[in-house]
Amino acid sequence: GAGVSQSPRYKVTKRGQDVALRCDPISGHVSLYWYRQALGQGPEFLTYFNYEAQQDKSGLPNDRFSAERPEGSISTLTIQRTEQRDSAMYRCASSLDSYNEQFFGPGTRLTVL
Amino acid sequence: DQQVKQNSPSLSVQEGRISILNCDYTNSMFDYFLWYKKYPAEGPTFLISISSIKDKNEDGRFTVFLNKSAKHLSLHIVPSQPGDSAVYFCAASADNTDKLIFGTGTRLQVFP
Repeated sequence: GAGVSQSPRYKVTKRGQDVALRCDPISGHVSLYWYRQALGQGPEFLTYFNYEAQQDKSGLPNDRFSAERPEGSISTLTIQRTEQRDSAMYRCASSLDSYNEQFFGPGTRLTVL
Repeated sequence: DQQVKQNSPSLSVQEGRISILNCDYTNSMFDYFLWYKKYPAEGPTFLISISSIKDKNEDGRFTVFLNKSAKHLSLHIVPSQPGDSAVYFCAASADNTDKLIFGTGTRLQVFP
């Protein structure tokens, strides 16, 4: 069975550009989570969805970051006007529903030049 | 402010011996704890969890112990195998939220 997939796996962009990172959760998983992981650190929560509803976006660093999951399946994390400090691994996870273990995707490595 | 702390960045253990990975937390609202294992170039994979109503959960070679009064949990791997070499993350969540708070990870190396 397919796990969580993310695309692109690597993204290099210039400062000031917008980027969109995609997450395709495990089929049937209700909950979808976005995390950011800096080198040598654990994943840091950004936001999560139950179905298409964004339940918690308290971890989004600022208003340049947004996420959507319009049909309750695929999700997109968008970063507008990227800055060098946005460079990190962005990880997506999904779970069957709330309070279940989360399954992580391979991540998207974002580098902002 | 790091709510979940893994104070040992690395651990080296001989094959066949016990590996003990430690994790401390500061938020008394945490009631669910998980361990994730991560190989290079892969996402973290769930290993084992424990609810705050328990003090021990065992799954094969892996056992997690929870000491709520000390706000401390540990993962025991016995016997350790070379394939266990990975980075291990401790994570916690509170009942009123689904988000996981992760520690910084401990790199375990099991040598022959």
